[in-house]
Amino acid sequence: DTAVSQTPKYLVTQMGNDKSIKCEQNLGHDTMYWYKQDSKKFLKIMFSYNNKELIINETVPNRFSPKSPDKAHLNLHINSLELGDSAVYFCASKGGLRYGYTFGSGTRLTVV
Amino acid sequence: GDSVTQMEGPVTLSEEAFLTINCTYTATGYPSLFWYVQYPGEGLQLLLKATKADDKGSNKGFEATYRKETTSFHLEKGSVQVSDSAVYFCALSGNAGNMLTFGGGTRLMVKP
Repeated sequence: DTAVSQTPKYLVTQMGNDKSIKCEQNLGHDTMYWYKQDSKKFLKIMFSYNNKELIINETVPNRFSPKSPDKAHLNLHINSLELGDSAVYFCASKGGLRYGYTFGSGTRLTVV
Repeated sequence: GDSVTQMEGPVTLSEEAFLTINCTYTATGYPSLFWYVQYPGEGLQLLLKATKADDKGSNKGFEATYRKETTSFHLEKGSVQVSDSAVYFCALSGNAGNMLTFGGGTRLMVKP
């Protein structure tokens, strides 16, 4: 059983399109995250939800819109995709304070 | 704000060599500290963690000690293997415990 699963694993799309990445965790964790990893492997927080409520929203273009239908799911919708959005996007979840974070296997987004 | 600095790579070692990857941090209070590993084409896996000063995290022969006086969490392994080739990320979770802040990653290449 995969603890944090993301779909799709690979996504190739044209500029201007709208796409979604889905994330589900079966760990019963309250908090979920989206991180972006750029081509130089640098990881940066994008969003965090706790029990379906947005708690972190870093400086991210408003073309990116997270949605959490329940505490086990955190999806990422991206409008009007740009070349610079090409990256690997990781979903993660966390239980209580000071527990480790569990990451999904990533979604490699390529905008052409 | 919180920040993590780790040595730039790549680090290239021969099999059975001793490994040290330096990591220092800036944070208020008492953060938790983590090392994550990313194998080629895969997601992030928790390697080890420490939640308070002088704690030693260890796993798979890797060790790191939480040094508050030097704000460091250096990763060490006595004898590396080719299978250890990966990118290693140092990270911290601050007092609020609500997100991970990552260092820039260090690529390790181990040659037979």
